[in-house]
Amino acid sequence: NAGVTQTPKFRVLKTGQSMTLLCAQDMNHEYMYWYRQDPGMGLRLIHYSVGEGTTAKGEVPDGYNVSRLKKQNFLLGLESAAPSQTSVYFCASSYPIRNSPLHFGNGTRLTVT
Amino acid sequence: AQSVTQLGSHVSVSEGALVLLRCNYSSSVPPYLFWYVQYPNQGLQLLLKYTTGATLVKGINGFEAEFKKSETSFHLTKPSAHMSDAAEYFCAVSVSRNEKLTFGTGTRLTIIP
Repeated sequence: NAGVTQTPKFRVLKTGQSMTLLCAQDMNHEYMYWYRQDPGMGLRLIHYSVGEGTTAKGEVPDGYNVSRLKKQNFLLGLESAAPSQTSVYFCASSYPIRNSPLHFGNGTRLTVT
Repeated sequence: AQSVTQLGSHVSVSEGALVLLRCNYSSSVPPYLFWYVQYPNQGLQLLLKYTTGATLVKGINGFEAEFKKSETSFHLTKPSAHMSDAAEYFCAVSVSRNEKLTFGTGTRLTIIP
């Protein structure tokens, strides 16, 4: 069982470069999420999607864009990376049911120099 | 607005001792409450969740949490710590059907041999 798969696992970018983080889930989940994790700040929601073709802003959306063209995939884009975007990024997915747990990927560690 | 506070960013206990990790929440409506665990270089995994009607919730690996509405708390306990319990623990609260969780800042648990 693959669950939630994130690629790449590590990436180093220079300021101003762009990249796309990929998230794929094989559990037929409706909901998908992108979080960032920073020391002492827990996880903060960047963007989320409640279904194919829909996206919405979370707590810290600035500097990021997302797309959900297929139900199983959720892409997070950085158009012009900044050092403040150095973080560990987690994708998660869940069923649209009350109390349905989130299933997380293993994260992407991004460093922007 | 909902929020969650975890008291103590680092907790150390001896192997075999009681584990107590504290979580307090604020919510204007009955919340859904969760504890997640994160092992090094991994994503978060669900430990347990609060379902209305049951104040004592049992989770995996011998952990349990008690929902106390009067104290707005959902503390996590385990009677006897094991070395494998060393990890970071996150409390999370949600008041919405689409599971937009708000995470606490996490507590890193260290087990002393």
